[in-house]
Amino acid sequence: DIQMTQSPSTLSASVGDRVTITCRASQSVSVWLAWYQQRRGKAPKFLIYQASYLESGVPSRFSGSGSGTEFTLTISNLQPDDFATYYCLQYNTPPYTFGQGTTLEI
Amino acid sequence: EEQLVESGGGLVKPGGSLRISCAVSGFTFSNVWMSWVRQAPGKGLEWVGRIKSKSDGGTTEYAAPVKGRFTISRDDSKNTLYLQMNSLKTEDTAVYYCTRGGTKPDFWGQGTLVTVSS
Repeated sequence: DIQMTQSPSTLSASVGDRVTITCRASQSVSVWLAWYQQRRGKAPKFLIYQASYLESGVPSRFSGSGSGTEFTLTISNLQPDDFATYYCLQYNTPPYTFGQGTTLEI
Repeated sequence: EEQLVESGGGLVKPGGSLRISCAVSGFTFSNVWMSWVRQAPGKGLEWVGRIKSKSDGGTTEYAAPVKGRFTISRDDSKNTLYLQMNSLKTEDTAVYYCTRGGTKPDFWGQGTLVTVSS
C-alpha cells in the first residue's frame, strides 16, 4: 500500500498568516491527490483534487501543488474558520490512503 | 439538496456482525461510485473501501484491515449503500462515513458510530 506522510503534524499560526502543509507519498501517485478539511466534530470537507484543482465553492486562498511524491497545500490570509485539521488522500492506486493529518491551531 | 444519511451504528461485541446503511438523495445514486471512510475516536481518516456503479461493473475494493470481513453493496432501487461488517474487532470502533465518489470523495454524510466492545 502507498503510505502518505504529512508534515507538520501540528502548525501554529495567526489570522492573516500564510501556511503550507506538505504531503509525501511512499511512491509516485502522479497528480491523483486530494485535500480535505475537517473541523472538530464535523465530517470532512473536500477542498482540492488532482493536486491543484480547487473544488467549486472553496475560497481561492486555498491552493495545492505538486506531483509524483511531494505535494503542498497552501492557505493564504488565514481566516478563523480555517483552523481545523487537514488531510491528504492519494487516489492513484487502491487501497487509497490518507495522510495522518495536520492540525492548524492558533 | 444532496444528502447522505448513515444509520445502523451501535454497540456490538467482538466477533459480532453489524450492517450499516447510507440513504442517498439529491443526486442520481445509480450513476455514482461510492465509498466508506472511517475515523477511530481521536484518530485520522481511514479509507475502508469503495463500490463502482453497476454500469461500471459494480466491483468493490477494500483496505487490507477489513478485506475478507467487510462487504460493501448497493441497492440502486432504494438509493441505499450498505456496509456489512463481520468478525468485528475492537479496533473497528470508529465513526463510519458514507461518501460520494469512488476515488476522491466529494460529499460526505454525518457519520454513524460503531463501537465494538465486550
